[in-house]
Amino acid sequence: EVQLVESGGGLVQPGGSLRLSCAASGFIFSSYSMNWVRQAPGKGLEWVSYISSTSSTIYYADSVKGRFTISRDNAKNSLYLQMNSLRAEDTAVYYCAREPNYYDISGYHSLGFDCWGQGTLVTVSS
Amino acid sequence: NFMLTQPHSVSESPGKTVTISCTRSSGSIASNYVQWYQQRPGSSPTTVIYEDNQRPSGVPDRFSGSIDSSSNSASLTISGLKTEDEADYYCQSYDPSNRVFGGGTKLTVL
Repeated sequence: EVQLVESGGGLVQPGGSLRLSCAASGFIFSSYSMNWVRQAPGKGLEWVSYISSTSSTIYYADSVKGRFTISRDNAKNSLYLQMNSLRAEDTAVYYCAREPNYYDISGYHSLGFDCWGQGTLVTVSS
Repeated sequence: NFMLTQPHSVSESPGKTVTISCTRSSGSIASNYVQWYQQRPGSSPTTVIYEDNQRPSGVPDRFSGSIDSSSNSASLTISGLKTEDEADYYCQSYDPSNRVFGGGTKLTVL
């Protein structure tokens, strides 16, 4: 069974740091790009960051660029999100999500997020 | 960066058909695949449509997706509505360095 399990959420003060983890199982983790997606309480989904299967390509949403760092350890089947300089507006449930994609003669194609974890809640408050 | 715009909410009766739109602000809707996700309260999102119009296994054929280049939009159509379809629905697409979600549409089946 394909499974993603996030951990590391909690309450942190503004300006603080937190590291989220996502443990993957049931599939060949090293073959897939991965993402972090967040959802503030009562709000919609917001993409946070992307990392390719080999970590060669990394992208961030403008709202977190320079503060968050995505990484992965394929030997440990794990995805991470280091969050620094946290703000109240970073309060959200953070999901890790698997992204199948491929290249053909017309270029790069993403098939979206086909597997999501249960999420971990990050609360930034004093 | 582009945006995806969805209606905030739609409602329809059981057994009827509803269509949710998703309009891309810039760039062609046909240039990158569109996905649709269903999210029930307290649960993680699940895919109901990928690659514009493909259904994952286990998703009933009452769910269908399409794109319309003339309006630069994608649509999710759910026919034969059931009360269990009541949920939030999000469209999503991408460009090479971004993944973008629509704001979400709350579907009420009453």
